[in-house]
Amino acid sequence: QKEVEQDPGPLSVPEGAIVSLNCTYSNSAFQYFMWYRQYSRKGPELLMYTYSSGNKEDGRFTAQVDKSSKYISLFIRDSQPSDSATYLCATEGANQGGKLIFGQGTELSVKP
Amino acid sequence: DTGVSQNPRHKITKRGQNVTFRCDPISEHNRLYWYRQTLGQGPEFLTYFQNEAQLEKSRLLSDRFSAERPKGSFSTLEIQRTEQGDSAMYLCASSLGGANGDEQFFGPGTRLTVL
Repeated sequence: QKEVEQDPGPLSVPEGAIVSLNCTYSNSAFQYFMWYRQYSRKGPELLMYTYSSGNKEDGRFTAQVDKSSKYISLFIRDSQPSDSATYLCATEGANQGGKLIFGQGTELSVKP
Repeated sequence: DTGVSQNPRHKITKRGQNVTFRCDPISEHNRLYWYRQTLGQGPEFLTYFQNEAQLEKSRLLSDRFSAERPKGSFSTLEIQRTEQGDSAMYLCASSLGGANGDEQFFGPGTRLTVL
């Protein structure tokens, strides 16, 4: 079993739709949770960062962490064609030297 | 450009050849990470440095792989006797270090193709 599981998609939505991306993880020791966006043939860029449980909002993006169910989510409101990319969830355990453990990535396509 | 840079961006080599990649982190970033990403997968951790010290190596890093960060600035990743299974995107990231949850900034990656 992978430590972080993510549905690879692909996911296709019309412009303006609300997008929900999800991951599950196995190790309750994980405390830091991130969402990265990766455009084709580019390096990942950090979108959202959350510590422990709770919600965090940044513009059209909302990240949620539910540690009781080991479930992390990213919501994108009013999705745009420029949001088309692969979205990677990642986590980092405490005192792990910053080593990130990534999910498989979900490929998102937003159609105009 | 003050971001993480990697060179070369693409490398095509024949099986059995040695290759070396370079990563220049954001200046003053103490930590430097190497990850490998294959098609349709998320990045997988390979190794990381705190300044010039290599502090952890993944089991993915076989004896054919070696990484250095000689002066605590740039880093090199060498693969000896390349195999077709080494074909992947090799990503470098850097962070300030010193605290849990530091943001890692990724470079554009080096795409390796082993024929």
